[in-house]
Amino acid sequence: EDQVTQSPEALRLQEGESSSLNCSYTVSGLRGLFWYRQDPGKGPEFLFTLYSAGEEKEKERLKATLTKKESFLHITAPKPEDSATYLCAVQALDRGSTLGRLYFGRGTQLTVWP
Amino acid sequence: GAGVSQSPRYKVAKRGQDVALRCDPISGHVSLFWYQQALGQGPEFLTYFQNEAQLDKSGLPSDRFFAERPEGSVSTLKIQRTQQEDSAVYLCASSRHPATNEKLFFGSGTQLSVL
Repeated sequence: EDQVTQSPEALRLQEGESSSLNCSYTVSGLRGLFWYRQDPGKGPEFLFTLYSAGEEKEKERLKATLTKKESFLHITAPKPEDSATYLCAVQALDRGSTLGRLYFGRGTQLTVWP
Repeated sequence: GAGVSQSPRYKVAKRGQDVALRCDPISGHVSLFWYQQALGQGPEFLTYFQNEAQLDKSGLPSDRFFAERPEGSVSTLKIQRTQQEDSAVYLCASSRHPATNEKLFFGSGTQLSVL
């Protein structure tokens, strides 16, 4: 069964303290791995898509990387406004899987305090 | 519209009541998904539409759940005879077309509480 596991469940950082969030996945075949940000009371907001091992993408203080078994979301010098839940999701290569369907992890709740 | 719009924002239902949740996707978006998000969990797939065709409903938890998108734009998720375990946030998402690399745009969700 396809699975996505995120760690840690919660992370508290002081402003400027860099860290990484982990997403490990087991799927029959990976079409793509997605990172989303979710603020309280809002829907997930797209951040990145990664397709193949070795790929990296950056946006402001965030950088996402992908290996064959996991992805990392690196946060450099975070600010309080980076506080949110970060969700990882995969699309499976399974022929029976609906095109575009995402399998989500439970998320990492990040709190950045001043 | 500027984004995916969902209504109502909050819904409180007594156990056994029927509810209807509405989703207005971004204009022109072909693909529409419904997800269910329980407290502290990631979103779980419910169903998928490509235009007006419901191509996948494998995630609907029981036959009390029904979704439609009759004209290929607005979609409604209906839950009959609500139970306490139906309490969750129901998220709607859309994308331009059914390609694997298309990112999903999510609405803010409807928070359903069944008492």
